[in-house]
Amino acid sequence: NAGVTQTPKFQVLKTGQSMTLQCAQDMNHNSMYWYRQDPGMGLRLIYYSASEGTTDKGEVPNGYNVSRLNKREFSLRLESAAPSQTSVYFCASSDQSPLAGDEQYFGPGTRLTVT
Amino acid sequence: SQKIEQNSEALNIQEGKTATLTCNYTNYSPAYLQWYRQDPGRGPVFLLLIRENEKEKRKERLKVTFDTTLKQSLFHITASQPADSATYLCALNSGGYQKVTFGTGTKLQVIP
Repeated sequence: NAGVTQTPKFQVLKTGQSMTLQCAQDMNHNSMYWYRQDPGMGLRLIYYSASEGTTDKGEVPNGYNVSRLNKREFSLRLESAAPSQTSVYFCASSDQSPLAGDEQYFGPGTRLTVT
Repeated sequence: SQKIEQNSEALNIQEGKTATLTCNYTNYSPAYLQWYRQDPGRGPVFLLLIRENEKEKRKERLKVTFDTTLKQSLFHITASQPADSATYLCALNSGGYQKVTFGTGTKLQVIP
């Protein structure tokens, strides 16, 4: 099992460019998440999907869109990148919703720089 | 406002000693609290979960306590080893919400 995979690992964008971060999990998990991690800020939830076909905003959704393509895949799109979106992005999945207390499995992260 | 606080300064301890990391929270009533380990350049890895009705949980050399009166969780690593050096994150469920909120983490350095 590969667990949670993310592509790309690194990306440099110019302000205004768009891109999609891809995430896939092979654990048959229902819930998937996108976080960003910035120094001194901790992990902050951008969007999550409690089950296939549903998505909800997290703490910092502005400037992002998501798609839960199927049970395995959850993508994050930056329509018009801004320097404030320079960060490390992590995708995660869990078997049940956070209400159940299930552990989250994280991918290796995407390091994004917007110039 | 709601806050989760972990020591922002790194914790340095001697190999073989017990490391104790603190997670304090305000204006939350968490149903549970989780601890994760994060190595540089990698995603967090789940270690332990403790629920609001549990005082203590153990797993091998790890022990977590949860005091809902003090609004605090302590994470202990006994007989620490250099391989335990990493950043440790606490996270809690905000009760009724479909999300977990993370602290900023404490960096632990175990010195041989």
